[in-house]
Amino acid sequence: AQSVTQLDSQVPVFEEAPVELRCNYSSSVSVYLFWYVQYPNQGLQLLLKYLSGSTLVESINGFEAEFNKSQTSFHLRKPSVHISDTAEYFCAVSPALGYSTLTFGKGTMLLVSP
Amino acid sequence: GAVVSQHPSRVICKSGTSVKIECRSLDFQATTMFWYRQFPKQSLMLMATSNEGSKATYEQGVEKDKFLINHASLTLSTLTVTSAHPEDSSFYICSGIAAAYNEQFFGPGTRLTVL
Repeated sequence: AQSVTQLDSQVPVFEEAPVELRCNYSSSVSVYLFWYVQYPNQGLQLLLKYLSGSTLVESINGFEAEFNKSQTSFHLRKPSVHISDTAEYFCAVSPALGYSTLTFGKGTMLLVSP
Repeated sequence: GAVVSQHPSRVICKSGTSVKIECRSLDFQATTMFWYRQFPKQSLMLMATSNEGSKATYEQGVEKDKFLINHASLTLSTLTVTSAHPEDSSFYICSGIAAAYNEQFFGPGTRLTVL
């Protein structure tokens, strides 16, 4: 079984400041890792994912995450946030066995203020 | 990416009635679909895995007789909440696996309020 821990339930930042949203996981098998973003009253949108290869993965809107196997972490970062980045962010994990179900963390609310 | 729709987007019903939520994959065939529920300010909890043409697999603690799932085609799965009660009020989200993308795509969710 897998589990995901998002240590921060809410992260307030000012616009144009850097941000890091933390995610740690536990699993007895190799995993795939995901970050999803959820805007109010909407479903989830995939932000980025790690399946294999380079441990640093990037999204098209400036976010990046680095898979650290030794620390079992997959923290999400952005060097300069915008007001429009305000949303709930979920880290998720699935076993690296073809395709399987996702286990989600509890989410981190990113609040960007002017 | 692939698109998943849900209908209705929000529904309000009286206690004791049944509500059906549709989940459609619009531009891909989804042999597997998932149903989640999300309580306010909480994460998504997997309710069941739905495979086309076969019975759904429910997670522990989810009542299969209360949450009826039908996956009759490769593009449609339905969740029926039978004899709904206020504690069933939640945000229900479905997703489907698009084999071409090797990825799970999520619907926009359905807000169910039971009075």
